[in-house]
Amino acid sequence: NAGVMQNPRHLVRRRGQEARLRCSPMKGHSHVYWYRQLPEEGLKFMVYLQKENIIDESGMPKERFSAEFPKEGPSILRIQQVVRGDSAAYFCASSQGGNSPLHFGNGTRLTVT
Amino acid sequence: SQQGEEDPQALSIQEGENATMNCSYKTSINNLQWYRQNSGRGLVHLILIRSNEREKHSGRLRVTLDTSKKSSSLLITASRAADTASYFCATDSGGGADGLTFGKGTHLIIQP
Repeated sequence: NAGVMQNPRHLVRRRGQEARLRCSPMKGHSHVYWYRQLPEEGLKFMVYLQKENIIDESGMPKERFSAEFPKEGPSILRIQQVVRGDSAAYFCASSQGGNSPLHFGNGTRLTVT
Repeated sequence: SQQGEEDPQALSIQEGENATMNCSYKTSINNLQWYRQNSGRGLVHLILIRSNEREKHSGRLRVTLDTSKKSSSLLITASRAADTASYFCATDSGGGADGLTFGKGTHLIIQP
């Protein structure tokens, strides 16, 4: 019974390139959340999705960032034209919805050089 | 603005001692959750306490919630080296659809 799977584990991109981060939720979970974590900081909410729908993207920067959770396949967080400030750990979590606890993946560590 | 803020930022104690971490928040909540994060890993859910509950236990963990003071505490009894991690409190905003809001965490170090 696999937990939340994120890949890649580490991603290095040069400034201006695109970064695509993938997240497969736990089996049976239809709610996906993306968070960003800077060193020594807590997690900052970015976006909440259900299958094929963005429910809340209030934490997502207006430009260059997008997220999707298609009917088939993993959720994707896409960062276009990356800049150094995008370097961070990006965590995906899934849940059954409501007030059920979040189950986190081990994150993707993005480094922009 | 930060919804949950943990205190202290860092805590170092001897193995076997009890560790207490506090969390304060600003707006009304439906529930408050505590998570643990080991270095380089994702967060692991520890315990959830609802707004109408005052105390909850899970193994060596005890969580209290005081909604009048908008604060919660996490007590780890008889600490072990394996408890070394960062601990975060997280609140929902009451709206249901939003993601959880996390504090910056308390970094706990258990000295063997």
